[in-house]
Amino acid sequence: DGGITQSPKYLFRKEGQNVTLSCEQNLNHDAMYWYRQDPGQGLRLIYYSQIVNDFQKGDIAEGYSVSREKKESFPLTVTSAQKNPTAFYLCASSIFWTEQFFGPGTRLTVL
Amino acid sequence: KNEVEQSPQNLTAQEGEFITINCSYSVGISALHWLQQHPGGGIVSLFMLSSGKKKHGRLIATINIQEKHSSLHITASHPRDSAVYICAARIRGGADGLTFGKGTHLIIQP
Repeated sequence: DGGITQSPKYLFRKEGQNVTLSCEQNLNHDAMYWYRQDPGQGLRLIYYSQIVNDFQKGDIAEGYSVSREKKESFPLTVTSAQKNPTAFYLCASSIFWTEQFFGPGTRLTVL
Repeated sequence: KNEVEQSPQNLTAQEGEFITINCSYSVGISALHWLQQHPGGGIVSLFMLSSGKKKHGRLIATINIQEKHSSLHITASHPRDSAVYICAARIRGGADGLTFGKGTHLIIQP
């Protein structure tokens, strides 16, 4: 079955620790995205990548970093510089400029 | 002001009713997406529109480019349609990702 997987579903970290969220897709999509969702707000774009070894900042990239070493994988690191990291994180992928397919999300709680 | 606005924010209706959710945007777009989010958080893409109208089962999506407005309609609504419906736009000349509305929380009562 083709799809997008994110792991883990729930993640708890202490304040000041970096944490990496996994996103893997087997849809052979070139483009991948990371979004953040907060209660009462729409999803916001963190980073996106259109091709391996290249990525671009979205609207709220500060405090986050990404890599795209393989077409299938687009991990997101939430660094200690992110002021308010507790949120629901969604990864998506697409063939360029077509509908986006979303993963199940990771709910990150920083204690 | 958000570039993508949805209304209503919350909607409760009885089973069988015809549902309309509205989306307006203030900038040029290349495509408009309608998404469905269930309580667990997973998101499913329903439609992607750049003009006209699309239909899938009991769901209909329309877009009016001149008026910068899109609607999502649900006919013969059912409790299983209860979810958050999200409008999202690909902004022309913007980042490759989507700009999202805040969502409409729909509850269909039996």
